[in-house]
Amino acid sequence: DAGVIQSPRHEVTEMGQEVTLRCKPISGHNSLFWYRQTMMRGLELLIYFNNNVPIDDSGMPEDRFSAKMPNASFSTLKIQPSEPRDSAVYFCASSLAGTQPQHFGDGTRLSIL
Amino acid sequence: GESVGLHLPTLSVQEGDNSIINCAYSNSASDYFIWYKQESGKGPQFIIDIRSNMDKRQGQRVTVLLNKTVKHLSLQIAATQPGDSAVYFCAENPRDSSYKLIFGSGTRLLVRP
Repeated sequence: DAGVIQSPRHEVTEMGQEVTLRCKPISGHNSLFWYRQTMMRGLELLIYFNNNVPIDDSGMPEDRFSAKMPNASFSTLKIQPSEPRDSAVYFCASSLAGTQPQHFGDGTRLSIL
Repeated sequence: GESVGLHLPTLSVQEGDNSIINCAYSNSASDYFIWYKQESGKGPQFIIDIRSNMDKRQGQRVTVLLNKTVKHLSLQIAATQPGDSAVYFCAENPRDSSYKLIFGSGTRLLVRP
């Protein structure tokens, strides 16, 4: 069975550039989550979508971050402009109807130089 | 100052021995708990879960124990194998939110051949 698919797996870019991370949730899952993982702060929830609608974006760091879910099988997390402190591993996860457990993709390792 | 996240607790076990990984959770109102395994370069992988109306749940080679009195969760891995080497996270789901997961800081399990 296909799990959560994220792309790209690695992204290295210069400060100030726009970064777009992509996620395809597990088919049939209608809840989607974006997380950020750093050594300092661990796993942090950035935003939660249910049925393609953002329900909780309280974890989004600032206006430079935005997320969309145009349909049930695709979501993007965009950072514009990017800064070195945005360097982290970004995970997407999905689940059935906001319930548990959440199933995670293998992440995008983002490095902002 | 130093962050707990920079220095993961590490458990080193001999291959074939049993492993016990412990977790103290924070919210007495949490009623659902999950253990995740994260291998290097991969996302957290669901291992086993337990609801607060249970004290013990068994899976294949894994057992989760829940002690609500002292807010303690443990993961027992029987006959530990090299493939079990990873970072293990416990996560709690507060009763007032169906979707939130509060992750612990993780424990690194090293299996000696």
